[in-house]
Amino acid sequence: KQEVTQIPAALSVPEGENLVLNCSFTDSAIYNLQWFRQDHGKGLTSLLLIQSSQREQTSGRLNASLDKSSGRSTLYIAASQPGDSATYLCAVTSVTSGTYKYIFGTGTRLKVLA
Amino acid sequence: EPEVTQTPSHQVTQMGQEVILRCVPISNHLYFYWYRQILGQKVEFLVSFYNNEISEKSEIFDDQFSVERPDGSNFTLKIRSTKLEDSAMYFCASSDRLFTDTQYFGPGTRLTVL
Repeated sequence: KQEVTQIPAALSVPEGENLVLNCSFTDSAIYNLQWFRQDHGKGLTSLLLIQSSQREQTSGRLNASLDKSSGRSTLYIAASQPGDSATYLCAVTSVTSGTYKYIFGTGTRLKVLA
Repeated sequence: EPEVTQTPSHQVTQMGQEVILRCVPISNHLYFYWYRQILGQKVEFLVSFYNNEISEKSEIFDDQFSVERPDGSNFTLKIRSTKLEDSAMYFCASSDRLFTDTQYFGPGTRLTVL
């Protein structure tokens, strides 16, 4: 059974710092992995989608990497800003016995201090 | 930029009542999804829908839940007889392709069952 874990659960950093958020999954047979941002009490905003054949994706100050064999993905945020404060979620798509599963991680709550 | 919309933003109901949550997916998307997030917990997949049929559903999506695309734009989630434990944020999402493409989420409906 696929399980997705994110560490740390919470992170507080000063503005301008580069940081790395981690996502681990137990079953390496995935289709893709998506990173989201969720502002408090709000919906999810898609940040990056990495297909299983890809190693990384970049968008602006964000870079997501995927290492399927070790069951890990990282989201790198460069030069963090207070506006980056939010909860970051990863979600993994996998197929088990012909059935798609879409499993979210537990999330990392990020606070960037001005 | 096209976006997924959901109504109402907040729904309060009495236990045992029926509720219908509404979503307008992005117009050229073909796949639609419902997720829920109980306060303080992970986002959980409920169901995916394509070509007027359920394509995948989770163990959570039992007989009290149903989905429908009543016209060319709306996508609804009906909970037949609400229970206290149905209180959660319900998110609708849509995508071009089933699970293997970026999913775009709506802002959510907060359902409170009293």
